[in-house]
Amino acid sequence: DAMVIQNPRYQVTQFGKPVTLSCSQTLNHNVMYWYQQKSSQAPKLLFHYYDKDFNNEADTPDNFQSRRPNTSFCFLDIRSPGLGDAAMYLCATSREGSGANVLTFGAGSRLTVL
Amino acid sequence: GQNIDQPTEMTATEGAIVQINCTYQTSGFNGLFWYQQHAGEAPTFLSYNVLDGLEEKGRFSSFLSRSKGYSYLLLKELQMKDSASYLCAVKDSNYQLIWGAGTKLIIKP
Repeated sequence: DAMVIQNPRYQVTQFGKPVTLSCSQTLNHNVMYWYQQKSSQAPKLLFHYYDKDFNNEADTPDNFQSRRPNTSFCFLDIRSPGLGDAAMYLCATSREGSGANVLTFGAGSRLTVL
Repeated sequence: GQNIDQPTEMTATEGAIVQINCTYQTSGFNGLFWYQQHAGEAPTFLSYNVLDGLEEKGRFSSFLSRSKGYSYLLLKELQMKDSASYLCAVKDSNYQLIWGAGTKLIIKP
């Protein structure tokens, strides 16, 4: 089945210790997104890639970086996690130009910072 | 600023009907989405409205009034598995998706 796969599902790190979260997709969608979601809050868009074009949200901290080495993979790097970065990180994909542009989400990576 | 408002929490009884409202103020409008999110899981797509009126999909229906900046999600014949958060999201004039904080729906036997 075509899908969006995130790894790891659960990540525990120490304050300041870098973390990398990965996302892969078999949907052949041209847009990939990284969202941060804290409990009972709306998902917050961190970045998105439209094909190869990288789009950083204005309020995304510099501590967050992203890489998309090819159309199927995307990575989220948190260089120095703080306690406030503990959250669920959601990867999503969509095919722009296909009408509704529905987002397909991965299962998420839950980050705990000790 | 852009804003999506939905109730924080609602409670309903198994087998009943519940309506979850969403009002929005955005710069332009290019469609409204409803997503379901079970606790600790990712959102999954439920419905999409871009024109006024009712879209029906099985037990779930979604309504849109663009002139009122208003939508609702109607869930019929509630089942325990419908206990989840329901997120309303609007695509604005720049095709950016603006998300509500979600409505937590609690189903009681």
